[in-house]
Amino acid sequence: DAMVIQNPRYQVTQFGKPVTLSCSQTLNHNVMYWYQQKSSQAPKLLFHYYDKDFNNEADTPDNFQSRRPNTSFCFLDIRSPGLGDAAMYLCATSTGLLETQYFGPGTRLLVL
Amino acid sequence: GQNIDQPTEMTATEGAIVQINCTYQTSGFNGLFWYQQHAGEAPTFLSYNVLDGLEEKGRFSSFLSRSKGYSYLLLKELQMKDSASYLCAVRDAGNMLTFGGGTRLMVKP
Repeated sequence: DAMVIQNPRYQVTQFGKPVTLSCSQTLNHNVMYWYQQKSSQAPKLLFHYYDKDFNNEADTPDNFQSRRPNTSFCFLDIRSPGLGDAAMYLCATSTGLLETQYFGPGTRLLVL
Repeated sequence: GQNIDQPTEMTATEGAIVQINCTYQTSGFNGLFWYQQHAGEAPTFLSYNVLDGLEEKGRFSSFLSRSKGYSYLLLKELQMKDSASYLCAVRDAGNMLTFGGGTRLMVKP
């Protein structure tokens, strides 16, 4: 059974049109992470939540926002997608900051 | 700054052994992870080292030397399904993961 679920698996949006990606987990983990992975590159951490405590990486563009309404769900909002935002977006969870991160299947975003 | 280096590509033969190296320079060290990532899929956890030495898990083993800033992932009895990218990731002093660029392994018959 899937434990970290991301919807949709593929998302097409238009340049400048806001888009939301979602992640849910059945693990009851405290920490949820969002990574951006461009083709043939390493995953890059955008931000993470420890419970409701939001932590933004210093170089994450303001165009990217996140919401975590409850333990199970976390959303990635891209306010005005540019062509350079086309990537795989990976959600991961862990019980704590010192624990192993488990990844969802990712959402591949295409910006036209 | 964070710097994690691993070879971009490697090729090996089915049934053989391959070693994928990773060197790192990070602000603090709280453990090193290896993940496997098939094309278009999410990374899956393989191994974790926080102390020096070898961790063995079936066909996969991972080694760490903190003084040298060095790790390797050893894959034995290679199978075609092992063709994937292998990501080295270091947890830094802030407990966040920084990933290397990944090593794409191609297993040939």
